[in-house]
Amino acid sequence: DAGVIQSPRHEVTEMGQEVTLRCKPISGHNSLFWYRQTMMRGLELLIYFNNNVPIDDSGMPEDRFSAKMPNASFSTLKIQPSEPRDSAVYFCASSPGLAREEDTQYFGPGTRLTVL
Amino acid sequence: GENVEQHPSTLSVQEGDSAVIKCTYSDSASNYFPWYKQELGKRPQLIIDIRSNVGEKKDQRIAVTLNKTAKHFSLHITETQPEDSAVYFCAASHTGNQFYFGTGTSLTVIP
Repeated sequence: DAGVIQSPRHEVTEMGQEVTLRCKPISGHNSLFWYRQTMMRGLELLIYFNNNVPIDDSGMPEDRFSAKMPNASFSTLKIQPSEPRDSAVYFCASSPGLAREEDTQYFGPGTRLTVL
Repeated sequence: GENVEQHPSTLSVQEGDSAVIKCTYSDSASNYFPWYKQELGKRPQLIIDIRSNVGEKKDQRIAVTLNKTAKHFSLHITETQPEDSAVYFCAASHTGNQFYFGTGTSLTVIP
């Protein structure tokens, strides 16, 4: 298994531009999580999905952030418009989920976002 | 909701010594407690986990203990090596729900 796949690995963009981060969870996993990590705030949960349905998006910082999971093998996190304070490492993680009573989360390699 | 506190935030030990990191949680419904290791520039990786029906679990040089009554759990690393240097995160969750992470402990093993 290739594990959780994220793209791009690095993204540098200018303030005001739209940014789209992508994630492919481990095949067969039912839950998907988006995290943001910064030195100041640590590891923050932004949103998570179970069976492609958003369960809790209370961690999404503001309306500029949106996430979708159109199918079991793909999710996106979009920031529009981006701001310098969005600079962080964004991790996607997946877990087998409730159906198998296994909730260990496996993290992707992350996307390092820099907004100038 | 759940609140997880982790201590210490930084820890330095001599190579060969033991390291202990402690976490407390607030929600008695939490029943799954994983520990992640994150090396610089890398992803968090699961190193050991424990469920609430077990008091202790060991895997070679690492062990985790859980005290449900006191709502705390600890990570123990024995015979530390330089490659153990990393940031360690604890987390608590109720089966199938989100993880609540601690703020992390930066461990430095001095050769």
